[in-house]
Amino acid sequence: GNSVTQMEGPVTLSEEAFLTINCTYTATGYPSLFWYVQYPGEGLQLLLKATKADDKGSNKGFEATYRKETTSFHLEKGSVQVSDSAVYFCALSEGGGFKTIFGAGTRLFVKA
Amino acid sequence: EAGVTQFPSHSVIEKGQTVTLRCDPISGHDNLYWYRRVMGKEIKFLLHFVKESKQDESGMPNNRFLAERTGGTYSTLKVQPAELEDSGVYFCASSQVPRYGYTFGSGTRLTVV
Repeated sequence: GNSVTQMEGPVTLSEEAFLTINCTYTATGYPSLFWYVQYPGEGLQLLLKATKADDKGSNKGFEATYRKETTSFHLEKGSVQVSDSAVYFCALSEGGGFKTIFGAGTRLFVKA
Repeated sequence: EAGVTQFPSHSVIEKGQTVTLRCDPISGHDNLYWYRRVMGKEIKFLLHFVKESKQDESGMPNNRFLAERTGGTYSTLKVQPAELEDSGVYFCASSQVPRYGYTFGSGTRLTVV
């Protein structure tokens, strides 16, 4: 079946460091790919999305490119801030109802 | 616009009791989803409504779980009787165009003791 694998955390970085969180997927067909973020005490928020191969999703300085050849959707940010500390979930949607399958989540801590 | 609203935010119940969770989606969103996250593991799909109809309930763990969506508006998820393994965070999400992503509520943290 379809699945999402993302790097285990926690990831701890200093402010202004470069961030990469790896995500790979297994899917039949052509799913949409997403990154969701959960800040402490809050629900999940859609961070960015890509709906077809080679699309680049971007938001708040974060980027991810839908790579069909490597079945990857890695999240990157050039300079993280303390306020980026959160749990990041990679996800794909499938089928007509677009049921979403989530990775296990990667917790990011950013130190001042 | 108002977001997806869930309540209660927390619930602590004893094993064998009944709990009902409620979700108010964004107005106009036909698609409503329930997910849960148990013990910090993956967020797992429970079911999907399109308006008042159950489109996909393949993720419902057993018949102790009952979901309804009255009139295609708010939805409830009832657990009866609750078991210890039902503890976790239950998320509701809604969407107008699912392939572009969902809007999630803040979740209900359910603890069964």
